Amino acid sequence: DTAVSQTPKYLVTQMGNDKSIKCEQNLGHDTMYWYKQDSKKFLKIMFSYNNKELIINETVPNRFSPKSPDKAHLNLHINSLELGDSAVYFCASSPQRGFGGELFFGEGSRLTVL
Amino acid sequence: SQQGEEDPQALSIQEGENATMNCSYKTSINNLQWYRQNSGRGLVHLILIRSNEREKHSGRLRVTLDTSKKSSSLLITASRAADTASYFCATGGNTGGFKTIFGAGTRLFVKA
Repeated sequence: DTAVSQTPKYLVTQMGNDKSIKCEQNLGHDTMYWYKQDSKKFLKIMFSYNNKELIINETVPNRFSPKSPDKAHLNLHINSLELGDSAVYFCASSPQRGFGGELFFGEGSRLTVL
Repeated sequence: SQQGEEDPQALSIQEGENATMNCSYKTSINNLQWYRQNSGRGLVHLILIRSNEREKHSGRLRVTLDTSKKSSSLLITASRAADTASYFCATGGNTGGFKTIFGAGTRLFVKA
């Protein structure tokens, strides 16, 4: 069984479109994250939810909107896609809320904006 | 800004050799973690060392932490071709709230 699963794995779309990435974890963790990895492999946190509550919201354009319908799911919706949004987006979960507990990552969703 | 910075950026060694990667960070931490990322895959947690620990072992991995120098090292002994991957250090601490912050990674290539 996959612990943290993301869909889709690959996403190719045109500038200006709206797209969503879904994430589900079956580990029973309370905390989930979205990270963005750019072409240079830098991994930057975007959002974190703890039991459906937003607890981290980094300086991310408001075109990005996370949604957590329950503690096992954290989706990412992106409006008006731009070329610079091209990256690999990783969902992760953690059994603890604070101070850098071990993260369990999904396999990533590679977004390409043309 | 990135908290951790790995050194070297890339490392190429022969199978059987040891690989050492270093990580420096800027602010106080509660713990430091190392992750591995195979090409096209997600990150996998390797080891966590707490700020009051100086050394930790896990199989062929040895991690050291020097909080006075704000640095850590990851040693992989007797490397194998399957160890080829990117290795990231990540810090968790009071600075920055509930975040684990990653460095840019070291790309390790182990030649068979």
